[in-house]
Amino acid sequence: AQSVSQHNHHVILSEAASLELGCNYSYGGTVNLFWYVQYPGQHLQLLLKYFSGDPLVKGIKGFEAEFIKSKFSFNLRKPSVQWSDTAEYFCAVTTSGTYKYIFGTGTRLKVLA
Amino acid sequence: DVKVTQSSRYLVKRTGEKVFLECVQDMDHENMFWYRQDPGLGLRLIYFSYDVKMKEKGDIPEGYSVSREKKERFSLILESASTNQTSMYLCASTSTNLPLHFGNGTRLTVT
Repeated sequence: AQSVSQHNHHVILSEAASLELGCNYSYGGTVNLFWYVQYPGQHLQLLLKYFSGDPLVKGIKGFEAEFIKSKFSFNLRKPSVQWSDTAEYFCAVTTSGTYKYIFGTGTRLKVLA
Repeated sequence: DVKVTQSSRYLVKRTGEKVFLECVQDMDHENMFWYRQDPGLGLRLIYFSYDVKMKEKGDIPEGYSVSREKKERFSLILESASTNQTSMYLCASTSTNLPLHFGNGTRLTVT
């Protein structure tokens, strides 16, 4: 069965630190990959997505993610975090021709001012 | 902008009650989903629907049913609520293989 793993459950960083959140999936075929963010008290919002093409994708608010097919990974990065990035981040995958979106367990990021 | 509206933000029900959670989307999306979100478990798919009157079980359908009589509306039904169904319930919609659009969620407490 398809699955998505997010190995970091809680991350605490100081402002201006660099961020990398890991995401690995288990599916050998063509995948579409997403990162969602949930700010406190708000609904889940799309940060960025990968369907095809350049494996380095840029999203909103300075986030980017790199798709490495050989490693089945889609890690999220930001060079310098801000206090306002405090949120929970979810990686998700769907495969072509299916309706199911599989989510990871999420990573809670806390950025200290 | 896509809007997914869940009818209640907070709901408190008693054990054994029948509970209806309603979701409406305004973008003519064919696909709609119900997830539950629990700390440390992420989002788990309960049911999804890819067309009117069509539904498929997700990963945790036990204790739940769904109804999709109109394209814009997808209802989640807890036939007999139990305390282990206390959770945040999220509705989402999309066209196939495009990003999901989520509602604000319904926090259900079953006492």
